[in-house]
Amino acid sequence: DTAVSQTPKYLVTQMGNDKSIKCEQNLGHDTMYWYKQDSKKFLKIMFSYNNKELIINETVPNRFSPKSPDKAHLNLHINSLELGDSAVYFCASSQAGNYNEQFFGPGTRLTVL
Amino acid sequence: DQQVKQNSPSLSVQEGRISILNCDYTNSMFDYFLWYKKYPAEGPTFLISISSIKDKNEDGRFTVFLNKSAKHLSLHIVPSQPGDSAVYFCAARRNSGGYQKVTFGTGTKLQVIP
Repeated sequence: DTAVSQTPKYLVTQMGNDKSIKCEQNLGHDTMYWYKQDSKKFLKIMFSYNNKELIINETVPNRFSPKSPDKAHLNLHINSLELGDSAVYFCASSQAGNYNEQFFGPGTRLTVL
Repeated sequence: DQQVKQNSPSLSVQEGRISILNCDYTNSMFDYFLWYKKYPAEGPTFLISISSIKDKNEDGRFTVFLNKSAKHLSLHIVPSQPGDSAVYFCAARRNSGGYQKVTFGTGTKLQVIP
């Protein structure tokens, strides 16, 4: 059973397009995250949601809009894609109060041409 | 501002020997330090953590040491096994607006040679 899943695994698109990445966790966790790993391998927090509420927003351009329809899902929608958005995006989840042990999805490699 | 630094991008070790992965940090507000392991095409997985009030934590073959005065921590793997070959991320946690935020380093790729 996949604990944290992301779709799609690969995404290739043109500049200016709008795209979404979906994330689902079946661990019953309350907290979910989106991370971006850029070409320099930095793994940076973008957003964190707790019980469907945004709790961390790390100065991400407002072209990025997370949506949490329920506790098990945290989707990432990106408008007007730019070359610099090319990266691997990881979704993660953790039990409420346990921020140390985060469970990560396999990542979505986004390439903007 | 890179608050968690892993200055060695890669490390090669013979099977059975000790692997030592290093990490430096700059923010004194971090209260927990973490190590994650990542295999290719997978997400990182949690390995071990240490509270800022401790100087050592051990879990099987993995031991993390913390030197607060030097703002330095290290992960020791002994004995190293080929299955330990992966990228190891150091991370640190601090309170941010009532919630905990985790900052990751750039990773060290460990290769254990059989």
